[in-house]
Amino acid sequence: AQKVTQAQTEISVVEKEDVTLDCVYETRDTTYYLFWYKQPPSGELVFLIRRNSFDEQNEISGRYSWNFQKSTSSFNFTITASQVVDSAVYFCALSPGGGNKLTFGTGTQLKVEL
Amino acid sequence: DVKVTQSSRYLVKRTGEKVFLECVQDMDHENMFWYRQDPGLGLRLIYFSYDVKMKEKGDIPEGYSVSREKKERFSLILESASTNQTSMYLCASHSRGIFPLHFGNGTRLTVT
Repeated sequence: AQKVTQAQTEISVVEKEDVTLDCVYETRDTTYYLFWYKQPPSGELVFLIRRNSFDEQNEISGRYSWNFQKSTSSFNFTITASQVVDSAVYFCALSPGGGNKLTFGTGTQLKVEL
Repeated sequence: DVKVTQSSRYLVKRTGEKVFLECVQDMDHENMFWYRQDPGLGLRLIYFSYDVKMKEKGDIPEGYSVSREKKERFSLILESASTNQTSMYLCASHSRGIFPLHFGNGTRLTVT
């Protein structure tokens, strides 16, 4: 069975602070994919990143970075110098390799205030 | 850009009514999904379809059915709506074997 845990229900930061969103997953598959999605107040989930289980390189995209560690089954997401526009619910998700179904975590509500 | 369109943004229905939620995608994707989103529970998969007229149960199919008569359209049906089906419903699609999932804007359904 697949499981994704996002233990942080809500995080509040002040603009320009760095913030890390935690994601821990469980799977028995050796091949799998991990994802992060952003859900702004408008409601539509926006894809941020996909990582496969064989690629443990960290990734940086502008102010966003992702740290994938198979040893701890974690795929954490860091926003550097947060901005008000980063306020959203962020979901981590897992899919077995070759499978179609995504299992989502419960989401982390990020509030960035001035 | 992939576009996944859900026919209604907000919907209010009465207990016992038959409810149809419609979803259309414009990218010829084989796979389509219906999720439900509730506070503290994240997104949970109701049903998915990997081809026309094909469907498979997700994690919480009870009380729901689906229809996929055309490749671009995937309908979620609540045969007899109940108050515990009040939720945000999200449709998604992707091409077989190719992620990511593309989501619609969601339909917020209230059953009174």
